[in-house]
Amino acid sequence: GQNIDQPTEMTATEGAIVQINCTYQTSGFNGLFWYQQHAGEAPTFLSYNVLDGLEEKGRFSSFLSRSKGYSYLLLKELQMKDSASYLCAVRDRGTGGFKTIFGAGTRLFVKA
Amino acid sequence: EAGVAQSPRYKIIEKRQSVAFWCNPISGHATLYWYQQILGQGPKLLIQFQNNGVVDDSQLPKDRFSAERLKGVDSTLKIQPAKLEDSAVYLCASSLDPSGRYVEQFFGPGTRLTVL
Repeated sequence: GQNIDQPTEMTATEGAIVQINCTYQTSGFNGLFWYQQHAGEAPTFLSYNVLDGLEEKGRFSSFLSRSKGYSYLLLKELQMKDSASYLCAVRDRGTGGFKTIFGAGTRLFVKA
Repeated sequence: EAGVAQSPRYKIIEKRQSVAFWCNPISGHATLYWYQQILGQGPKLLIQFQNNGVVDDSQLPKDRFSAERLKGVDSTLKIQPAKLEDSAVYLCASSLDPSGRYVEQFFGPGTRLTVL
């Protein structure tokens, strides 16, 4: 079967660093996405990892370990505007083609 | 570049009524997705089109939901009849070339459906 787990909520302080973890189980893994979703808005793309390792993009970094079925999103120098849900999503290859499966999301609260 | 357009933005109906949502993807994007997002949950894929063919509709409740993508561009999603549990945000997304390098999905603003 397919399963994606991430914490439901996290709280962090402005200016700090926070790591949001995601574990997954899927039969045809082909890559992992992170999306940001502010309340009442559509998800927006943050990162896509296909190979193991860390990819850095400004204040955000994403890490993937395919052997462990594990990823994390690292947010540095937190700002109040980073308060949002962060969705981990797996790209899975099935018989009909590629499909994206989303986790439930992690709600991040950034406090002053 | 214009984004993914959806209409209406909000819809309130009574159970057993019908409703239709419209989506216009980014120009040139071959793949179009419809997701259902219930409050507090991640988006759940309902149907995925590649041009005007269906790639995956395994989670579409086919007894009440239907979708089409005419001419491989615009798409409509219909619910008939609606149930209370259909209350959710319906997100449309598109991607340029999901089998290759350009796998990022661009989402529209969504349609918030309330079934009373």
